[in-house]
Amino acid sequence: EAGVAQSPRYKIIEKRQSVAFWCNPISGHATLYWYQQILGQGPKLLIQFQNNGVVDDSQLPKDRFSAERLKGVDSTLKIQPAKLEDSAVYLCASSPPGAGVNEQFFGPGTRLTVL
Amino acid sequence: AQSVTQLDSHVSVSEGTPVLLRCNYSSSYSPSLFWYVQHPNKGLQLLLKYTSAATLVKGINGFEAEFKKSETSFHLTKPSAHMSDAAEYFCVVSPNNNDMRFGAGTRLTVKP
Repeated sequence: EAGVAQSPRYKIIEKRQSVAFWCNPISGHATLYWYQQILGQGPKLLIQFQNNGVVDDSQLPKDRFSAERLKGVDSTLKIQPAKLEDSAVYLCASSPPGAGVNEQFFGPGTRLTVL
Repeated sequence: AQSVTQLDSHVSVSEGTPVLLRCNYSSSYSPSLFWYVQHPNKGLQLLLKYTSAATLVKGINGFEAEFKKSETSFHLTKPSAHMSDAAEYFCVVSPNNNDMRFGAGTRLTVKP
């Protein structure tokens, strides 16, 4: 079974630029999560989708971050404009229908460096 | 509020000796608890989880954890460390099935 795919794996941009990350969850997984992991900290949930609807985006900085999952499969996370403090690893995870966080599979992450 | 505290940011052991990674949680309800491992440049991998069944939970790679409600603890142990165990370990609490709160992580170093 293929795992959660993310691209790019690494990205370096200058502050005030825009950046987008892509996630392809495991086939059949209805729930998709985006996490931000700042160096030295545990991951923090940014947004959770159930199919193509948003379940929780309470910790998403909506002035600069946006995410979508238009067809209920792939998802993109965008930052516009980026700030220095956005430097982090962005993790995508997915879980099967009904499993919630009890059965969550993580991708390898995208490491963002903002200069 | 639900949260976890990993009591050690860094633990160093010798190969073949026991591992103890400590985690305390706070939760208003009976939570689900998890341990994840993160190797460099790899995704988070679930080691084990507690979801209100047996209090002693066995996971992959010889790890286990014991849920102690009276102490609000969920410490991770392994009888004998292997070099491949060197990684970052995260204790996680979930008060419901939709939210996870990660601890800050414990970096495990294994010396030959």
